[in-house]
Amino acid sequence: NAGVMQNPRHLVRRRGQEARLRCSPMKGHSHVYWYRQLPEEGLKFMVYLQKENIIDESGMPKERFSAEFPKEGPSILRIQQVVRGDSAAYFCASSPRLAGDYEQYFGPGTRLTVT
Amino acid sequence: GESVGLHLPTLSVQEGDNSIINCAYSNSASDYFIWYKQESGKGPQFIIDIRSNMDKRQGQRVTVLLNKTVKHLSLQIAATQPGDSAVYFCAENNYGQNFVFGPGTRLSVLP
Repeated sequence: NAGVMQNPRHLVRRRGQEARLRCSPMKGHSHVYWYRQLPEEGLKFMVYLQKENIIDESGMPKERFSAEFPKEGPSILRIQQVVRGDSAAYFCASSPRLAGDYEQYFGPGTRLTVT
Repeated sequence: GESVGLHLPTLSVQEGDNSIINCAYSNSASDYFIWYKQESGKGPQFIIDIRSNMDKRQGQRVTVLLNKTVKHLSLQIAATQPGDSAVYFCAENNYGQNFVFGPGTRLSVLP
C-alpha cells in the first residue's frame, strides 16, 4: 500500500511564475491537508480538503494561493506569481477521517525554491 | 543539555541515555495528540499518539505522557540511538479539527 505521494520533490521557479504542487493521498483516504514549513520552523496549516470540497482554508494566504482536490486525480496546490517568500517545503498529509481516527500520514514534501 | 538555537530548541543526549522532549500545547479542548519525527529532507513520521482520556501511553522504546492540568506533553525515548537524531514535533487536535503543530525540538545524539 503506497504512502502519500508528492511531486515534484523539488521545484525551482522564477519570480512571477506559477508553481503547481501535486499530492496523491493514501489509498482509501479522502481527506487531504497542506502544510508549509520554513527552514528550522514547524509546520503551518494551510488548507484542508475533501474530495471536491474545501473544508478549511483558514491558513491559506488570500491572494495567489489556491487548492483543489478533484473527484479524480491528485490534490493540487497552486501558487501564482511566486515571490521569494514562497520558498519553503510544502507537505501534504492524508487521513481516512474515520470516526475518532484523525491520524495524518505525511508525504515526502515538495521543496519550492523561488529565484 | 538543552539549549535554544536561532529557531529550534536543541536537546543533546549521549547515545544510550534516555531522552525527554517536552511540548506545551495551546488548546485545553484538544482531545488527541501525536508526536512526529522528522528527519532531514523528509516528511514527518508518526511515532505515537495519545487521547485526552489517557495520561500515559507506551510504544516500542517511546512513552508519551499527557498532563492536561498544565497542558503539557512529553515524549520519552529509552536508550537513545543515533538513528533517533531528528526534529520532533508534537501536534494537537480538537475533535477532528486541524492539527496544530508545536515549534519542534531538534534531538542530537552524541556518540
